[in-house]
Amino acid sequence: DQQVKQNSPSLSVQEGRISILNCDYTNSMFDYFLWYKKYPAEGPTFLISISSIKDKNEDGRFTVFLNKSAKHLSLHIVPSQPGDSAVYFCAASASGTYKYIFGTGTRLKVLA
Amino acid sequence: EAGVTQFPSHSVIEKGQTVTLRCDPISGHDNLYWYRRVMGKEIKFLLHFVKESKQDESGMPNNRFLAERTGGTYSTLKVQPAELEDSGVYFCASSQENLGGKLFFGSGTQLSVL
Repeated sequence: DQQVKQNSPSLSVQEGRISILNCDYTNSMFDYFLWYKKYPAEGPTFLISISSIKDKNEDGRFTVFLNKSAKHLSLHIVPSQPGDSAVYFCAASASGTYKYIFGTGTRLKVLA
Repeated sequence: EAGVTQFPSHSVIEKGQTVTLRCDPISGHDNLYWYRRVMGKEIKFLLHFVKESKQDESGMPNNRFLAERTGGTYSTLKVQPAELEDSGVYFCASSQENLGGKLFFGSGTQLSVL
């Protein structure tokens, strides 16, 4: 049973516009969430995280929003750039477990 | 600072053979993880070491998989005997607690079992 779900396998966005990637989770014990970006033939690299005590975290062009009641988080990239084209993974963990559960990923293509 | 390194980058073996994957974490990182990704699916947790101890091995598929981390430094993941369904990309990641649990991943080992 998939505890972290990314229901959109792919997304195409025009350069300069906003990219919104979504993630849903089922385990109410999850309280720490991360986004990773993965280029082909490379390992995932950390992008941004958010703790359940917050509902928003920003880092430059990247913002993560958390809606705990809906068990939903989203990653906004503004403005999108061609170099952002990659697969984005959402991950979640529960306090004290150090076990990170990943989603299936969303392939983002930013068109120049 | 060197990142997480994995060896080999690719391995092609026949069903029934044995393969050993190696991971060198970032120096000083106590936490070491193994994950696997089958094409198009999630990055699936296999196990977690804290130093040389297995903290959580709930994701290990079966007893054909054996992970070790002698001395709390590098780790090996052995598959014996390999089956077709073991094919995928095996990622190793390491972290240090004071970095907010952020995982640093290696480039992965692409394992193909024919």
